[in-house]
Order: sequence, then structure tokens, then C-alpha cells
Amino acid sequence: EPEVTQTPSHQVTQMGQEVILRCVPISNHLYFYWYRQILGQKVEFLVSFYNNEISEKSEIFDDQFSVERPDGSNFTLKIRSTKLEDSAMYFCASSEEIGAGYTFGSGTRLTVV
Amino acid sequence: QKEVEQNSGPLSVPEGAIASLNCTYSDRGSQSFFWYRQYSGKSPELIMFIYSNGDKEDGRFTAQLNKASQYVSLLIRDSQPSDSATYLCAVKDTGGFKTIFGAGTRLFVKA
Repeated sequence: EPEVTQTPSHQVTQMGQEVILRCVPISNHLYFYWYRQILGQKVEFLVSFYNNEISEKSEIFDDQFSVERPDGSNFTLKIRSTKLEDSAMYFCASSEEIGAGYTFGSGTRLTVV
Repeated sequence: QKEVEQNSGPLSVPEGAIASLNCTYSDRGSQSFFWYRQYSGKSPELIMFIYSNGDKEDGRFTAQLNKASQYVSLLIRDSQPSDSATYLCAVKDTGGFKTIFGAGTRLFVKA
């Protein structure tokens, strides 16, 4: 069964450093997303990406964050100048159509120390 | 602010019983509704989707939708200990691209 691949599975970084989280969505999916889940809290939307551009972003997704699809397969989330409160599980997801269910990757646990 | 509300639980049922999970949503125009299962420390996994009023069955799972009441439910028949997980209700936002998730209901199935 096709899957969404995320790397790394766990990233520890010092406050103020930049991190890049990587994802390979399912190849025939057209819509890509980043969500995060702080421990014990909801899965919350960060950004959606369609047709090589951001289609929607949340209030959380400020200038500290950026996304790229550099080569037609990878989909990356960059977090600049990380803060302690950025510690969370970050999930990449993709869907075949808008309004369809998501396939989630296994997640990257980001720990900012 | 569009909301998806779920009882956080935990909901505890004996093995073989029916587990009933409920969800309400605020966006009256919503058209697409999903149930995801999330095991502890893992990512959400899509188990059901429903777009029309009424019931939709898939194996031991039945999703029920009532748009007039803005209510979605998930029934799990013949519950197994392996069904113990957090169940996330999710609703596609009519105004954009995202899907909004509820906080989830923790289900425990006792052997």
C-alpha cells in the first residue's frame, strides 16, 4: 500500500536553530499538508500546498515557517529560529483530491531544548 | 472559529460490545467527514469517510451522519482490545483546503 514517508523520525535541536523536516508524499496525490500535534493536544493544521504553491496557511504558520517542493517528490517544512514551544510531533499528509481523506506519514518528533 | 467537538473519554467497553463515538461540528456547510484512529505515539490512520446523510458501513465500522443536527458518529461492533486507541473526528473546512480535527475520544476495550 502506498505510504507517506517522513524523515527524520526524531529531531533534537537547540533553541534558535533551524530545522528542516522532510516528507515524500504519495506519488499520485496532488494535495500536501503539514499538521502538528503538541503532546496531549489536537492535531492542528499548519499549511496546505497545491500546484506548487501554498493554498492555505494557519495563524501558526508565520514567517518562522516555510514549505518547499524542491524536486517534484520531496515536500519540506523549514522552521527557522526554533522556540521551546515548537516541540511537537509534525505530520506530513497527502490526499488525492480536495475533500478526500488524508494519508499521514509516521511523523517527526521535534524536541527543542 | 470552526470547531469539531468530541467527548475526550475515556470510553471503556468490554470485548465484543458496541462502542459508540460521537462528534459535533460547527460549520453547517460542511460536506466531508472523516474518522481517524490514532494509536499512542503513532500517526492518524483514516478508517472511515462519509459525505451523505445516513449510515455507511465498512466491516465492523459504521459511520452515521446527520447534517441537520451537525452530528457524526462512529459505531464499532464486536469491539476488540486492538481497537483501543484515540478516535479523531475530522471535518473538511468548506472555506478552504484544510480538514479540522477534533481532540479525539480515547477508547479502551477490556478483554
